[in-house]
Amino acid sequence: DVKVTQSSRYLVKRTGEKVFLECVQDMDHENMFWYRQDPGLGLRLIYFSYDVKMKEKGDIPEGYSVSREKKERFSLILESASTNQTSMYLCASSPLDQWLPEAFFGQGTRLTVV
Amino acid sequence: RKEVEQDPGPFNVPEGATVAFNCTYSNSASQSFFWYRQDCRKEPKLLMSVYSSGNEDGRFTAQLNRASQYISLLIRDSKLSDSATYLCVVNTGFQKLVFGTGTRLLVSP
Repeated sequence: DVKVTQSSRYLVKRTGEKVFLECVQDMDHENMFWYRQDPGLGLRLIYFSYDVKMKEKGDIPEGYSVSREKKERFSLILESASTNQTSMYLCASSPLDQWLPEAFFGQGTRLTVV
Repeated sequence: RKEVEQDPGPFNVPEGATVAFNCTYSNSASQSFFWYRQDCRKEPKLLMSVYSSGNEDGRFTAQLNRASQYISLLIRDSKLSDSATYLCVVNTGFQKLVFGTGTRLLVSP
């Protein structure tokens, strides 16, 4: 079974802190993604990566950065956490398939910024 | 205009009913389409891919209409366990997946 593991299920951080969310996948997938999910807004893509050290901005990259130093690991960084970044964060990975890139998700990290 | 739009629902149906969801997408160059299911407080999981000719998986039928830029999901003989949020997902190219906000289904006894 594909496994995507996020380092924390729940996090509480203070405004202004630098926050690291880690994601690891064990299926040798080329693509990795970070989404946030908010009520009424659905999943919105923050960043994605299709190879080591490669990254592309998604729809809402402001306030975030990412790092992909190894194929299996994709980190999301909140440079200076703000209360509007309180959300559910979902990491996903998918194989390199132009037509049917099925995405496998981690269990999510619920981040609260106070 | 959102890239992928869905009616958020909720759709309340009795067990055994047939229910259908639609989803529209704005990018005519979109390459592939999917329905994902998300249970409460869980991560999304692939329910089925949507093929150009339409496809069926048990009680679930997916259709694609490229001319009108919409996809649909039909669930027959609804079960209590079908209660979930159904996410329409579009591969807009370069393997970037865009999710709709989801349609919530509640199946009651």
